[in-house]
Amino acid sequence: ETGVTQTPRHLVMGMTNKKSLKCEQHLGHNAMYWYKQSAKKPLELMFVYSLEERVENNSVPSRFSPECPNSSHLFLHLHTLQPEDSALYLCASSQGLADTQYFGPGTRLTVL
Amino acid sequence: AQSVTQLDSHVSVSEGTPVLLRCNYSSSYSPSLFWYVQHPNKGLQLLLKYTSAATLVKGINGFEAEFKKSETSFHLTKPSAHMSDAAEYFCVVSVRNSGNTPLVFGKGTRLSVIA
Repeated sequence: ETGVTQTPRHLVMGMTNKKSLKCEQHLGHNAMYWYKQSAKKPLELMFVYSLEERVENNSVPSRFSPECPNSSHLFLHLHTLQPEDSALYLCASSQGLADTQYFGPGTRLTVL
Repeated sequence: AQSVTQLDSHVSVSEGTPVLLRCNYSSSYSPSLFWYVQHPNKGLQLLLKYTSAATLVKGINGFEAEFKKSETSFHLTKPSAHMSDAAEYFCVVSVRNSGNTPLVFGKGTRLSVIA
């Protein structure tokens, strides 16, 4: 396993729930990322943080809200999700942008 | 703009036979290229990385890839497949000073290994 951890590993939520995904990296990196991986679709970059500042937001719906309180932690706050949001959500970190990214194991999200 | 094309969505090989997963890239700058592997319900693990040093790159688990600029290719190979190699493989390009997306992922190639 890598130095990137994600919790929870599995999450089932209703469309009216509010939940948060957590990512922590123990590698001393400065950049962190959220990706969405849906069945039979390419990996989708959602958000990029560099030195705790958001540098990219790829037209992600506002029901997904990222938070990066420090360079080691990244959250993805979820509210009023839709069934099509069910996917594997992967967190990654890198020393700098365009450097090698190291991935966490992912959170398998199911929206009922 | 940079892009990556993985030429096969699914490759099936017998155990003990060679593996070839094909990847072509498009980039206006000197790229860094990666191969990642993803086992079922797991995150992505880095197999190997090319960053303009030696064109033949050796990775983990016996995999290697050769950067061929003239062919804009970065194919992944392994001399002898093992059952544990069955997974999804992603070819990835990274371009410094690209502006927006740090990494561009291919759509993936699913490798099946038959006993």
